[in-house]
Amino acid sequence: DSGVTQTPKHLITATGQRVTLRCSPRSGDLSVYWYQQSLDQGLQFLIQYYNGEERAKGNILERFSAQQFPDLHSELNLSSLELGDSALYFCASSVGNLNNEQFFGPGTRLTVL
Amino acid sequence: EDKVVQSPLSLVVHEGDTVTLNCSYEVTNFRSLLWYKQEKKAPTFLFMLTSSGIEKKSGRLSSILDKKELFSILNITATQTGDSAIYLCASMEYGNKLVFGAGTILRVKS
Repeated sequence: DSGVTQTPKHLITATGQRVTLRCSPRSGDLSVYWYQQSLDQGLQFLIQYYNGEERAKGNILERFSAQQFPDLHSELNLSSLELGDSALYFCASSVGNLNNEQFFGPGTRLTVL
Repeated sequence: EDKVVQSPLSLVVHEGDTVTLNCSYEVTNFRSLLWYKQEKKAPTFLFMLTSSGIEKKSGRLSSILDKKELFSILNITATQTGDSAIYLCASMEYGNKLVFGAGTILRVKS
């Protein structure tokens, strides 16, 4: 158990819908990272927040947005969902800002029908 | 376009063998190279390499970075069935953007 929690574990929804994935980092970690993993694209870095501020952006679509709240938990919002958004979404956390040792949560499996 | 290429894509070895996994990168503003192990679910961090030529070790695993030739290797000695996993490498740029390779699937047979 990494200490990073993600909810929900599984999510099934329809195209065009909007969902919110939630992540609570390990106690004391200030950085939260979001990743998408699909069979055809592999693991893709989406976005990083550090202490409430966006620090790095990867291949995140405009339909996706994220934020980190004052209590350091983070939410990833996915809207206008498409079939291709079906994937495993991981959250990871680390103490600092520099992508040092990251601890991954168990992931949320999103299925878009 | 930034890219990270891992080889081989897949390999099968017997317990006790030594394996070498390769990762090459073409990234602008390269900062560090990271290795992860992914078993059934979430990736587990293994190493972060920033300096060229300095080996990092953790038990039977070791890794080194060559910033001149733009590659890194991950060595696993005396492999065990528990080493079976997907090994991912990722490049990190200044600005913290990460680019992942497709991974190497390692299967260790008893």
